[in-house]
Amino acid sequence: SSELTQDPAVSVALGQTVRITCQGDSLRSYYASWYQQKPGQAPVLVIYGKNNRPSGIPDRFSGSSSGNTASLTITGAQAEDEADYYCNSRDSSGVVFGGGTKLTVL
Amino acid sequence: QITLKESGPTLVKPTQTLTLTCTFSGFSLSTSGVGVGWIRQPPGKALEWLALIYWDDDKRYSPSLKSRLTITKDTSKNQVVLTMTNMDPVDTATYYCAHRPVMSRDSSGYYSYYFDYWGQGTLVTVSS
Repeated sequence: SSELTQDPAVSVALGQTVRITCQGDSLRSYYASWYQQKPGQAPVLVIYGKNNRPSGIPDRFSGSSSGNTASLTITGAQAEDEADYYCNSRDSSGVVFGGGTKLTVL
Repeated sequence: QITLKESGPTLVKPTQTLTLTCTFSGFSLSTSGVGVGWIRQPPGKALEWLALIYWDDDKRYSPSLKSRLTITKDTSKNQVVLTMTNMDPVDTATYYCAHRPVMSRDSSGYYSYYFDYWGQGTLVTVSS
């Protein structure tokens, strides 16, 4: 089955830009979607499609894709962006999630 | 406004069967292209997709758990039910249901596939 690979942890200084990546063969056919999850809360969709933000998601969140790699970029990271981030796509079996990236804002 | 809410037992014994219900509002599971999925998350671990049911009753399961899972829908009640047999302590997790909107394809040929609304989740503990 397909897998989506994410770096376990990434850190960024307050106000700086950070990129979180997700790799997998399914990303050659499907855009990754990205979810933010804070402790004790359900995941929240932050990016879907080519680069779409649901209502209420700040425009500092953006998405991109190239080949088998998708990226979530936070431009001007804020303290409230500290969270776990998961990518998600479809594969031949159904659905696949990445292992998650813990983002620390310093 | 789309909402989903999971319900079911908080504690099950090993070898028992877990039955979880997702009750939703704001959409119909008879609308073409729509789906509802189940995703779980063991404490401190990553999200894991379990199952998905589509408007046309097509069902997909995680290959690693397929033999233990059954997903059904009751369109008239706006509910999706997941059953998982032979529960084990490693199945202790928060279980989420989520809405999957109609999948679209853009001019470059890529599909958009995502879950846009999630329930609050329900923690299920497996212990004797």
